[in-house]
Amino acid sequence: DTGVSQDPRHKITKRGQNVTFRCDPISEHNRLYWYRQTLGQGPEFLTYFQNEAQLEKSRLLSDRFSAERPKGSFSTLEIQRTEQGDSAMYLCASSSRLDRRNTGELFFGEGSRLTVL
Amino acid sequence: DQQVKQNSPSLSVQEGRISILNCDYTNSMFDYFLWYKKYPAEGPTFLISISSIKDKNEDGRFTVFLNKSAKHLSLHIVPSQPGDSAVYFCAASANDYKLSFGAGTTVTVRA
Repeated sequence: DTGVSQDPRHKITKRGQNVTFRCDPISEHNRLYWYRQTLGQGPEFLTYFQNEAQLEKSRLLSDRFSAERPKGSFSTLEIQRTEQGDSAMYLCASSSRLDRRNTGELFFGEGSRLTVL
Repeated sequence: DQQVKQNSPSLSVQEGRISILNCDYTNSMFDYFLWYKKYPAEGPTFLISISSIKDKNEDGRFTVFLNKSAKHLSLHIVPSQPGDSAVYFCAASANDYKLSFGAGTTVTVRA
């Protein structure tokens, strides 16, 4: 399978714990995005990378959220000191700056669902 | 600040008829508009897109119309099929591929 993969698919944690999600993008894609989706809402942009450079992180929800893409391949999203309001689906997407079809398409993974008790 | 709005949370249509989904936006800098489809427990999948220099794009049963002066776009699905039952998201980007999404419209196709 050559799509975007995310791990774990579902994480249940207690309030105050740290969690980390991993995303492996499509191999030839140099752009990687993190989104958050809550019930009844569309995906909400958090941050994105071009190769290993984090080009925008202003939308990360608080300083408890951080993301890395150390070698320009996989990425991790960490949430420290989780709160119940962090419960959501965390979606990763990737794209290529050289999208020949020029559709503007992002390819999404299946998401990592976080439940904070 | 919701820059992309889908004001109809749900739509029910009979199989074989046309489904029309609407989307409004506020940011005049948006230059690409996309529709995504999402099934439960899956990530969104790309359906169709349109550049701001066009007013219509068609792909099989799916057609997207863009009215820039009204800041409005719509997705037509004809004929609707049971497999089209899903949540549809309208999305837009401005000069890059960072997308702003609407809240989605749940489509139910009745047999």
